[in-house]
Amino acid sequence: QSALTQPASVSASPGQSITISCTGSSTDIGGYDYVSWYQQHPGKVPKLLIYSVTHRPSGVSNRFSASKSGNTASLTISGLQTEDGADYFCSSYSSGTTLFVFGPGTKVTVL
Amino acid sequence: EVQLVQSGAEVKKPGESLKISCKGSGYSFTSYWIGWVRQMPGKGLEWMGIMYPEDSDTRYSPSFEGRVTISADKSTNTAYLQWSSLKASDTAMYYCVTDSGSYQFDSWGQGTLVTVSS
Repeated sequence: QSALTQPASVSASPGQSITISCTGSSTDIGGYDYVSWYQQHPGKVPKLLIYSVTHRPSGVSNRFSASKSGNTASLTISGLQTEDGADYFCSSYSSGTTLFVFGPGTKVTVL
Repeated sequence: EVQLVQSGAEVKKPGESLKISCKGSGYSFTSYWIGWVRQMPGKGLEWMGIMYPEDSDTRYSPSFEGRVTISADKSTNTAYLQWSSLKASDTAMYYCVTDSGSYQFDSWGQGTLVTVSS
């Protein structure tokens, strides 16, 4: 059982926007600005999309944006494209029993 | 450019030992934390543990502490993940990852598939 919760799946049509939530607690998301997001296409290696809540690494499309409010972080994909169909995982630093926690992942389907 | 190159797929029997590797290049190996993430078939990502090669400071997830050992060889810029006695439930893809200091996994190795079956 993951320490963070995410919706299992989200779907939308090309061009639309979607938001994926990631809910934790005050010992992880709510307590630190160390939330990151990862994209994983089927059979591929995960890729860092967002770090430190809102920051995009060089080369990541600006269609990906993220934020945090309280114990919940969110990833928004705007102008959805077919290649955005993938699994998305959130992660956070934690002061709990484990240093890092992951969410269970959200499968994004582009209709 | 940071590159992490992992050792190849392994097929082992329950009870056997195993050590997989991850060679880093393109950065100062001792300046980044290097860790391991497990992904069981069809499942999500699980953080296993992380080490700072400069001083060998190592942290483990409670879920994996005592079951695996993380180590590193600074002379060869290589990190290792080892098991002394594998179980079928250790069957998974294992990724090595770097953390440059902001508690994110910046770079990922290509993964090492470990299959444990009698």
